[in-house]
Amino acid sequence: QKEVEQNSGPLSVPEGAIASLNCTYSDRGSQSFFWYRQYSGKSPELIMSIYSNGDKEDGRFTAQLNKASQYVSLLIRDSQPSDSATYLCAVRKSGYALNFGKGTSLLVTP
Amino acid sequence: ETGVTQTPRHLVMGMTNKKSLKCEQHLGHNAMYWYKQSAKKPLELMFVYSLEERVENNSVPSRFSPECPNSSHLFLHLHTLQPEDSALYLCASSQEMRNQPQHFGDGTRLSIL
Repeated sequence: QKEVEQNSGPLSVPEGAIASLNCTYSDRGSQSFFWYRQYSGKSPELIMSIYSNGDKEDGRFTAQLNKASQYVSLLIRDSQPSDSATYLCAVRKSGYALNFGKGTSLLVTP
Repeated sequence: ETGVTQTPRHLVMGMTNKKSLKCEQHLGHNAMYWYKQSAKKPLELMFVYSLEERVENNSVPSRFSPECPNSSHLFLHLHTLQPEDSALYLCASSQEMRNQPQHFGDGTRLSIL
């Protein structure tokens, strides 16, 4: 079983819609959860971090964490073409290492 | 000023060459990381340095040799690489508290001929 799983996509949404990106993880002891955005040819950029169950909102982004279901998601409201990128889910269980999923490719169409 | 700076941005080398990748962070962090990103694979952690001491080495071949002379600088020395080592090499830094996020540099795109 892969440690961090994401649907590779592409996920296509129209401009102005809500994009919903999902991630599951295998280790129940995981403590910290992060979403990164990566444009083609660029480095990952931190979007959100979440550490406790529930929702965390930052502008158009909402991260949701459910530790019982081992599930973390990212919602992007009012999606813009500039949001088109690959979104990486990263999970830290212990130590320093972040385990990354393969990423979900998001395409926002005008 | 970019928080984490990597040089060079692109590197082409033969299998018998020796080269080094450089990373510098301007964020006041005290942990630094090397990752490898290959096509269609997740980011793979290679090395972690905390307070200039190597704390993780994820079974990386000895042809990759890291060096961390201080908390702001990290090097990856390369020698006798293989074609499958062609990838994007990313440096990251964070504060040495385990729930802190990592911030990435722009990476070095490495091609092995």
